[in-house]
Order: sequence, then C-alpha cells, then structure tokens
Amino acid sequence: GDSVTQMEGPVTLSEEAFLTINCTYTATGYPSLFWYVQYPGEGLQLLLKATKADDKGSNKGFEATYRKETTSFHLEKGSVQVSDSAVYFCALTDGSGNTGKLIFGQGTTLQVKP
Amino acid sequence: NAGVTQTPKFRVLKTGQSMTLLCAQDMNHEYMYWYRQDPGMGLRLIHYSVGEGTTAKGEVPDGYNVSRLKKQNFLLGLESAAPSQTSVYFCASSSRTGRVYEQYFGPGTRLTVT
Repeated sequence: GDSVTQMEGPVTLSEEAFLTINCTYTATGYPSLFWYVQYPGEGLQLLLKATKADDKGSNKGFEATYRKETTSFHLEKGSVQVSDSAVYFCALTDGSGNTGKLIFGQGTTLQVKP
Repeated sequence: NAGVTQTPKFRVLKTGQSMTLLCAQDMNHEYMYWYRQDPGMGLRLIHYSVGEGTTAKGEVPDGYNVSRLKKQNFLLGLESAAPSQTSVYFCASSSRTGRVYEQYFGPGTRLTVT
C-alpha cells in the first residue's frame, strides 16, 4: 500500500540555519503531496502542497518540490526562526481513489534555538 | 467562520466506559475524517465519510463507530473504552477541486483511558 517515510527527529538548528527535512513516498497512481505543521498543543495546519510531478509548493519561506523520479518531497527553508519550532508531517492522498484520505509520515520535530 | 471544531477538548475515561466525540465543520465540505495521533506514529485514519449518511473504515477502525447524520457533523463513538485508545483524536474535513483534496483539521481531543 501507499506509504510515507520521513527522516527521524528531532532536528535541532540554530536560528538562521538552513533546514531540510527529507520525505520519500511509495504510491500508485498520481498522488498529491503535502506538508503539514503542528505547533505545540494545536491541530495540523497545511503548510504547502504539490499536485503533480515537478510542481513546487511554497509558503512562509518553506519550499518542497514533487520529484517523481526519486519519489521525494523534501521540505526546505533557507533561514529558520525560533517560531518555526514545531512538528512537521509529510503526507499524500491516494492518487487512484476518490476519498481524499491522507497517509502521513511519522512526523519530524524541529527545534530552533536562538 | 469557525472552520472545524471538536468537542470536548479533554476527557478522562475509565476502562469500559463509553463516550462520543463531536466534530463540526461550517465549510460545507462533503468529506470528513477521524484520525488518531500517537507518539512516533504520525496520524492514522480511523473512519471517514464521503458524504452525509455514508461512512467507511480507515486503517485502525476497531473499537470505534461513527455516524454522519448531518453533513456538517461527524461523530466518533467509543462503546467500551480501553487503555490502548488513549490518544489525541483529530477530525478533519476536506474540500475537493478536481482530483485535489485539501484537508482542514480541528484542534484535537486528548483522551486518556485509565
């Protein structure tokens, strides 16, 4: 079945450092890919998405490119801030169905220190 | 516009007790979902609905039941709670544009079963 694998956390960075969180997926059909962010004590918020190969999603300085050849959707940010500390989830929707179900990776905790 | 709301926010149950979690959305979305979040496991789909009056099983449905009598509400029931159901429960609803779905999450319900 479809699956998503994220890099293990926690990831600890200093403010203004470059961020990469790796995400790879296995899927049939043509899935859409997402990054969600969860701040402490809150629900998940959509950070960015890409719906077809070579699409780049971007939001709030974060970017990710849908790479079909490497089945990857790595999250990047050029300069992180303390306020970016959160848990980040990579996810995909079933590309061959019509239910919109999300399949999540296990999440990666990011800690940014001043 | 409240988005997706969940009731209650916190609950403690004893083993064998029952309860219902309520999810409500005001975005007129057809699709609704219940997930549980456990440490190191991301979010896993319990049940979902693709429209009023319909429900279907997700990845981890055992021990839960759901109902979607009204389009805006999606109820999750635990008939006989077990300690293994201690978790954070998230509801989501989804818009659909073509084959692209975008899910919006509620703030979560933290359930402890003793």
